[in-house]
Amino acid sequence: NAGVTQTPKFQVLKTGQSMTLQCAQDMNHEYMSWYRQDPGMGLRLIHYSVGAGITDQGEVPNGYNVSRSTTEDFPLRLLSAAPSQTSVYFCASSYSMAGGPHEQYFGPGTRLTVT
Amino acid sequence: AQSVSQHNHHVILSEAASLELGCNYSYGGTVNLFWYVQYPGQHLQLLLKYFSGDPLVKGIKGFEAEFIKSKFSFNLRKPSVQWSVTAEFFCAVNRAGTASKLTFGTGTRLQVTL
Repeated sequence: NAGVTQTPKFQVLKTGQSMTLQCAQDMNHEYMSWYRQDPGMGLRLIHYSVGAGITDQGEVPNGYNVSRSTTEDFPLRLLSAAPSQTSVYFCASSYSMAGGPHEQYFGPGTRLTVT
Repeated sequence: AQSVSQHNHHVILSEAASLELGCNYSYGGTVNLFWYVQYPGQHLQLLLKYFSGDPLVKGIKGFEAEFIKSKFSFNLRKPSVQWSVTAEFFCAVNRAGTASKLTFGTGTRLQVTL
C-alpha cells in the first residue's frame, strides 16, 4: 500500500490564482481530512469527510473547497489564493472501528507559498 | 469544542536525559488521545494512542504516556533521549466517535544536544 499520497510537494502561487491540492489513499478508509500547519499553531482542521459524497467544515474552512466523489480521493481547492494561505498542508485518512481510537494516517504534505 | 494545550513550546535536553512533555485537554466527555511526532521535513507519525483500559500507554521507540482523567492530562515520557529524537511532538484529541475531527496542540519542539 502507498498509504496517503499528496501532490504536489511544493507549489508557489500568485495572489488570486486558484489551484487544487490532490490527496489519495489506498487503504479504503472512510474518513479523510485536510489540515494546515503553521509555526506555533500546530495543525488546524480545514475540511473533513466521513465518506464519499459527505463533507463538512473544520476549524478554518474559509477560502477552501472540498469534494469527495470517491472513497480514494479528497482534493482541496483554493479558490483565490491569498498570502495568508501560505502554509504546509497535510491530508489524513482514518478508518472506522467500533470503540476504537480512530488514529489518522498522514500524507507527506504540500508546502504552499502564495506571493 | 475541545482544545489541547502543550505548555512547553521548546525543550532542550542533553542526550541521555529524561523527557516529559505536558499535554492537557479540555473536554468533559469520552476522548481518544494521541501523540504524534514529526521529524524535520517529514510527515506526522503516530507514537502512541489511548482510548480505554490501562492509563499507562506504551508506544514506539520507547515512548510512553499516562492518561490522568482527573487532571485532563496525557503527558509523554521517555526515560533517556537520544540525539535522533530531535523533532516536534504534537498531542491530539478527538471525541470518541468523531474520527475525523482531531484537535491538535501547538506542538513542542524538542532539541537534543550531544
